[in-house]
Amino acid sequence: GENVEQHPSTLSVQEGDSAVIKCTYSDSASNYFPWYKQELGKGPQLIIDIRSNVGEKKDQRIAVTLNKTAKHFSLHITETQPEDSAVYFCAASTSSGGGADGLTFGKGTHLIIQP
Amino acid sequence: DAGVIQSPRHEVTEMGQEVTLRCKPISGHDYLFWYRQTMMRGLELLIYFNNNVPIDDSGMPEDRFSAKMPNASFSTLKIQPSEPRDSAVYFCASSLFGEQYFGPGTRLTVT
Repeated sequence: GENVEQHPSTLSVQEGDSAVIKCTYSDSASNYFPWYKQELGKGPQLIIDIRSNVGEKKDQRIAVTLNKTAKHFSLHITETQPEDSAVYFCAASTSSGGGADGLTFGKGTHLIIQP
Repeated sequence: DAGVIQSPRHEVTEMGQEVTLRCKPISGHDYLFWYRQTMMRGLELLIYFNNNVPIDDSGMPEDRFSAKMPNASFSTLKIQPSEPRDSAVYFCASSLFGEQYFGPGTRLTVT
């Protein structure tokens, strides 16, 4: 089955700086890669996703890149703000047409924004 | 839309008791997923349904766990009998075009 590795486990950056979280996956059949943000006591919130036919996707301060050959994908947050502090999870799955398999998650990165 | 709704939000029970967790997916979504989150194992997929039919239950840890989806707007996850190692946060998620949206979770504590 799929295995997703995520690094680092904790990341502390100064407010306004950029943060990068990296993930690798093992199953070459995986073609859907979402990122989730989880705040304390809440469920994971989908913040951005990318499919295997795209190398990069951007949404305001958040971007995700995908390298299918190397089987790794990354989350980039620019101009970090205090409200970006949370645990971030990467995930991978196979998705065909309108359907989707269950997600395999990384272990999470605790992002701390220092004021 | 109210999003995915889960109940109860917190459940404390004694070992050996039956526990039932409930989920209402987002209206119109055709996939429903149950996940479990613990510090040791992270977020794990337990089972998922497509159009109310179970597709993959390979993540269900033991026969003590069972899940049903009697209609498109309701699903249950049952643990019978419960054990202390079942203590975790259980999430339900629903999906229409691959994007999964999670509920707030049920925090289960088995003493």
